[in-house]
Amino acid sequence: EAQVTQNPRYLITVTGKKLTVTCSQNMNHEYMSWYRQDPGLGLRQIYYSMNVEVTDKGDVPEGYKVSRKEKRNFPLILESPSPNQTSLYFCASSPGTARGGDTQYFGPGTRLTVL
Amino acid sequence: GEDVEQSLFLSVREGDSSVINCTYTDSSSTYLYWYKQEPGAGLQLLTYIFSNMDMKQDQRLTVLLNKKDKHLSLRIADTQTGDSAIYFCAESSGYSTLTFGKGTMLLVSP
Repeated sequence: EAQVTQNPRYLITVTGKKLTVTCSQNMNHEYMSWYRQDPGLGLRQIYYSMNVEVTDKGDVPEGYKVSRKEKRNFPLILESPSPNQTSLYFCASSPGTARGGDTQYFGPGTRLTVL
Repeated sequence: GEDVEQSLFLSVREGDSSVINCTYTDSSSTYLYWYKQEPGAGLQLLTYIFSNMDMKQDQRLTVLLNKKDKHLSLRIADTQTGDSAIYFCAESSGYSTLTFGKGTMLLVSP
Protein backbone atom coordinates (compact mmCIF):
# COMPACT_ATOMS: atom_id res chain seq x y z
CA GLU A 1 0.00 0.00 0.00
CA ALA A 2 1.34 3.41 -0.99
CA GLN A 3 1.79 5.47 2.13
CA VAL A 4 3.70 8.03 4.13
CA THR A 5 4.44 6.96 7.68
CA GLN A 6 5.48 9.13 10.59
CA ASN A 7 6.75 8.18 14.02
CA PRO A 8 5.94 8.80 16.71
CA ARG A 9 2.30 9.80 16.33
CA TYR A 10 2.26 11.50 19.72
CA LEU A 11 5.15 12.87 21.74
CA ILE A 12 5.37 14.85 24.96
CA THR A 13 8.83 16.14 25.80
CA VAL A 14 10.58 18.85 27.76
CA THR A 15 12.35 21.99 26.65
CA GLY A 16 15.85 21.39 25.34
CA LYS A 17 15.69 17.63 24.90
CA LYS A 18 16.68 16.77 21.34
CA LEU A 19 14.14 14.76 19.37
CA THR A 20 13.66 13.34 15.90
CA VAL A 21 10.40 12.70 14.09
CA THR A 22 10.83 10.16 11.35
CA CYS A 23 9.09 10.18 7.97
CA SER A 24 9.22 7.44 5.41
CA GLN A 25 7.50 6.95 2.04
CA ASN A 26 7.34 3.81 -0.08
CA MET A 27 6.43 5.41 -3.41
CA ASN A 28 9.94 6.32 -4.63
CA HIS A 29 8.97 9.99 -4.53
CA GLU A 30 11.59 12.62 -5.16
CA TYR A 31 9.93 15.45 -3.26
CA MET A 32 9.35 15.41 0.49
CA SER A 33 8.27 18.15 2.82
CA TRP A 34 7.48 18.95 6.45
CA TYR A 35 4.62 21.17 7.57
CA ARG A 36 3.36 22.30 10.92
CA GLN A 37 -0.30 22.97 11.57
CA ASP A 38 -1.40 25.42 14.23
CA PRO A 39 -4.90 26.65 15.08
CA GLY A 40 -5.79 29.73 13.07
CA LEU A 41 -2.58 29.53 11.03
CA GLY A 42 -3.24 26.58 8.72
CA LEU A 43 -0.29 24.62 7.39
CA ARG A 44 3.11 26.23 7.11
CA GLN A 45 6.05 24.62 5.39
CA ILE A 46 9.15 24.01 7.50
CA TYR A 47 11.60 22.37 5.10
CA TYR A 48 11.43 20.53 1.83
CA SER A 49 13.67 18.30 -0.22
CA MET A 50 13.65 17.85 -3.97
CA ASN A 51 15.90 14.80 -3.91
CA VAL A 52 18.61 12.99 -1.96
CA GLU A 53 21.02 15.45 -0.36
CA VAL A 54 18.96 18.43 -1.61
CA THR A 55 17.06 20.32 1.08
CA ASP A 56 15.78 23.86 1.37
CA LYS A 57 14.03 26.08 3.88
CA GLY A 58 10.31 26.64 3.82
CA ASP A 59 8.43 29.44 5.51
CA VAL A 60 9.20 28.58 9.16
CA PRO A 61 12.56 26.73 9.36
CA GLU A 62 13.88 28.27 12.59
CA GLY A 63 14.58 25.68 15.27
CA TYR A 64 14.41 22.71 12.89
CA LYS A 65 16.85 20.61 10.91
CA VAL A 66 16.30 17.97 8.27
CA SER A 67 18.36 15.49 6.33
CA ARG A 68 17.78 13.46 3.18
CA LYS A 69 20.39 10.72 3.03
CA GLU A 70 18.06 8.25 1.38
CA LYS A 71 15.18 8.82 -0.99
CA ARG A 72 12.57 7.23 1.23
CA ASN A 73 13.37 8.96 4.54
CA PHE A 74 13.16 12.59 5.58
CA PRO A 75 13.56 13.00 9.35
CA LEU A 76 12.73 16.23 11.15
CA ILE A 77 15.14 17.10 13.94
CA LEU A 78 14.53 19.49 16.81
CA GLU A 79 17.93 20.04 18.43
CA SER A 80 16.58 22.04 21.37
CA PRO A 81 12.78 22.02 21.39
CA SER A 82 10.90 24.95 22.87
CA PRO A 83 7.24 25.30 23.86
CA ASN A 84 6.48 27.35 20.72
CA GLN A 85 7.24 24.22 18.72
CA THR A 86 4.21 22.51 20.23
CA SER A 87 2.21 21.72 17.14
CA LEU A 88 0.83 19.08 14.78
CA TYR A 89 3.45 18.07 12.23
CA PHE A 90 2.82 16.55 8.82
CA CYS A 91 5.23 14.97 6.41
CA ALA A 92 4.28 14.84 2.73
CA SER A 93 5.76 13.42 -0.43
CA SER A 94 5.10 13.71 -4.14
CA PRO A 95 6.66 12.40 -7.36
CA GLY A 96 8.12 15.83 -8.05
CA THR A 97 8.19 15.18 -11.78
CA ALA A 98 5.87 17.98 -12.89
CA ARG A 99 5.82 21.71 -12.34
CA GLY A 100 2.89 21.92 -9.99
CA GLY A 101 0.11 19.38 -10.38
CA ASP A 102 1.88 16.81 -8.22
CA THR A 103 -0.35 14.97 -5.84
CA GLN A 104 1.12 15.36 -2.39
CA TYR A 105 0.56 12.41 -0.10
CA PHE A 106 0.39 13.29 3.57
CA GLY A 107 1.36 11.26 6.57
CA PRO A 108 -1.04 10.84 9.51
CA GLY A 109 0.60 13.58 11.58
CA THR A 110 2.68 13.78 14.75
CA ARG A 111 1.27 15.71 17.67
CA LEU A 112 4.19 17.20 19.61
CA THR A 113 3.90 18.87 23.01
CA VAL A 114 6.96 20.62 24.46
CA LEU A 115 6.66 21.42 28.16
CA GLY B 1 4.85 36.65 0.18
CA GLU B 2 2.06 34.72 -1.42
CA ASP B 3 -1.17 34.49 0.52
CA VAL B 4 -4.22 32.25 0.40
CA GLU B 5 -7.38 33.32 2.23
CA GLN B 6 -10.46 31.31 3.15
CA SER B 7 -13.48 31.84 5.33
CA LEU B 8 -13.06 29.90 8.57
CA PHE B 9 -16.42 28.25 9.03
CA LEU B 10 -19.42 27.04 7.04
CA SER B 11 -22.53 25.30 8.32
CA VAL B 12 -25.04 23.58 6.04
CA ARG B 13 -27.85 21.07 6.30
CA GLU B 14 -27.55 17.57 4.92
CA GLY B 15 -28.66 17.47 1.29
CA ASP B 16 -27.90 21.12 0.62
CA SER B 17 -25.01 22.33 -1.53
CA SER B 18 -21.91 23.72 0.14
CA VAL B 19 -19.72 26.37 -1.42
CA ILE B 20 -16.30 27.06 0.05
CA ASN B 21 -14.46 30.08 -1.26
CA CYS B 22 -10.78 30.92 -1.50
CA THR B 23 -8.76 33.86 -2.78
CA TYR B 24 -5.06 33.90 -3.57
CA THR B 25 -2.56 36.58 -4.41
CA ASP B 26 0.10 34.86 -6.51
CA SER B 27 -0.64 35.61 -10.15
CA SER B 28 1.90 32.98 -11.22
CA SER B 29 -0.03 30.15 -9.56
CA THR B 30 -0.15 27.25 -11.97
CA TYR B 31 -2.19 24.74 -9.98
CA LEU B 32 -4.83 25.25 -7.31
CA TYR B 33 -5.86 22.49 -4.97
CA TRP B 34 -8.53 21.48 -2.53
CA TYR B 35 -7.56 19.21 0.35
CA LYS B 36 -9.81 17.64 2.98
CA GLN B 37 -8.76 16.93 6.56
CA GLU B 38 -10.97 14.74 8.71
CA PRO B 39 -10.56 14.81 12.51
CA GLY B 40 -7.33 13.17 13.62
CA ALA B 41 -6.19 12.48 10.07
CA GLY B 42 -3.77 13.87 7.53
CA LEU B 43 -4.71 15.80 4.42
CA GLN B 44 -6.35 14.09 1.50
CA LEU B 45 -6.26 15.62 -1.97
CA LEU B 46 -9.81 16.11 -3.24
CA THR B 47 -9.18 17.75 -6.57
CA TYR B 48 -7.02 20.29 -8.33
CA ILE B 49 -7.38 22.63 -11.29
CA PHE B 50 -4.83 23.96 -13.72
CA SER B 51 -4.76 27.72 -14.02
CA ASN B 52 -5.87 27.73 -17.67
CA MET B 53 -9.15 26.03 -16.75
CA ASP B 54 -12.33 27.73 -15.57
CA MET B 55 -14.15 24.74 -14.17
CA LYS B 56 -13.57 21.14 -13.22
CA GLN B 57 -16.25 18.68 -12.16
CA ASP B 58 -15.67 15.40 -10.39
CA GLN B 59 -18.82 13.63 -9.21
CA ARG B 60 -20.29 15.79 -6.42
CA LEU B 61 -17.42 18.26 -6.53
CA THR B 62 -17.26 21.31 -8.80
CA VAL B 63 -14.29 23.65 -8.79
CA LEU B 64 -14.63 27.11 -10.29
CA LEU B 65 -11.64 29.32 -11.00
CA ASN B 66 -11.81 33.02 -11.76
CA LYS B 67 -8.23 33.79 -12.61
CA LYS B 68 -8.87 37.48 -13.15
CA ASP B 69 -10.17 37.88 -9.60
CA LYS B 70 -7.85 35.15 -8.21
CA HIS B 71 -10.88 33.43 -6.74
CA LEU B 72 -11.36 29.69 -6.35
CA SER B 73 -14.45 27.90 -5.08
CA LEU B 74 -15.37 24.34 -4.22
CA ARG B 75 -18.99 23.31 -4.50
CA ILE B 76 -20.11 20.07 -2.88
CA ALA B 77 -23.50 18.92 -4.13
CA ASP B 78 -25.87 16.96 -1.89
CA THR B 79 -23.66 17.49 1.15
CA GLN B 80 -23.56 14.57 3.58
CA THR B 81 -22.61 14.39 7.26
CA GLY B 82 -19.49 12.51 6.16
CA ASP B 83 -18.38 15.67 4.36
CA SER B 84 -17.89 17.42 7.71
CA ALA B 85 -14.19 18.24 7.81
CA ILE B 86 -11.71 21.05 7.34
CA TYR B 87 -11.13 22.00 3.72
CA PHE B 88 -7.88 23.62 2.66
CA CYS B 89 -7.29 25.61 -0.46
CA ALA B 90 -3.68 25.56 -1.70
CA GLU B 91 -1.76 26.99 -4.62
CA SER B 92 1.45 26.04 -6.34
CA SER B 93 3.57 28.13 -8.61
CA GLY B 94 6.75 26.14 -8.26
CA TYR B 95 8.16 22.68 -8.03
CA SER B 96 5.71 20.90 -5.76
CA THR B 97 5.77 23.63 -3.09
CA LEU B 98 2.28 24.42 -1.82
CA THR B 99 0.96 27.49 -0.01
CA PHE B 100 -2.09 26.65 2.06
CA GLY B 101 -4.97 28.73 3.32
CA LYS B 102 -5.94 28.48 6.98
CA GLY B 103 -8.76 26.06 6.25
CA THR B 104 -12.57 26.19 6.29
CA MET B 105 -14.38 24.04 8.79
CA LEU B 106 -17.51 22.57 7.19
CA LEU B 107 -20.17 21.37 9.58
CA VAL B 108 -23.03 19.37 8.09
CA SER B 109 -26.07 18.93 10.29
CA PRO B 110 -28.72 16.23 9.78
